Amino acid sequence: ETGVTQTPRHLVMGMTNKKSLKCEQHLGHNAMYWYKQSAKKPLELMFVYSLEERVENNSVPSRFSPECPNSSHLFLHLHTLQPEDSALYLCASSQSQTGETYEQYFGPGTRLTVT
Amino acid sequence: AQKITQTQPGMFVQEKEAVTLDCTYDTSDPSYGLFWYKQPSSGEMIFLIYQGSYDQQNATEGRYSLNFQKARKSANLVISASQLGDSAMYFCAMREGTIYNQGGKLIFGQGTELSVKP
Repeated sequence: ETGVTQTPRHLVMGMTNKKSLKCEQHLGHNAMYWYKQSAKKPLELMFVYSLEERVENNSVPSRFSPECPNSSHLFLHLHTLQPEDSALYLCASSQSQTGETYEQYFGPGTRLTVT
Repeated sequence: AQKITQTQPGMFVQEKEAVTLDCTYDTSDPSYGLFWYKQPSSGEMIFLIYQGSYDQQNATEGRYSLNFQKARKSANLVISASQLGDSAMYFCAMREGTIYNQGGKLIFGQGTELSVKP
């Protein structure tokens, strides 16, 4: 079974819609991440949660709203997005011990298209 | 200034041959980690190999090895005996800081697209 799952795999939404991306990790990790991958650009970190608390917010617009109800689940709530928000959104998880983090395992991503 | 530089946008290699993908990094943090990921066309990022800044030996994982030259700040990925399934984007990444001061975030390079020819 895949360690990190994401749903949906593909999403097309209008600029006035509200949708949510879901991520679930089955690896027993205690840190989870949202990344954005736009065409021809390196991955950009959006949010980090450690032990269900947000520890990093990389100046992401408020139209993206994360939620981490427990260490296994991570959501990204979307509202009033712009066409430039179209991208591949990747979720990852890792184990963090005494502040050190180890390799991150990624989900398959959600390919988002904003029309 | 870019912290992770991958200078090869695309590479070709003949099946069964070895290939080296270049990566240089820039950091003043004495403690850091270096990672390589593979991203096939399906989009999933697959972890390949990790090298810690204090590791004395080069990391190896099956057909993957990391040529870590600390003084040159380079962390090249060597894939031996290339297979058709190795065709993908390859990303070098660096972890700076801990999860408490920088979120344990990975900084990614722009990637190298590897094509394996039969």
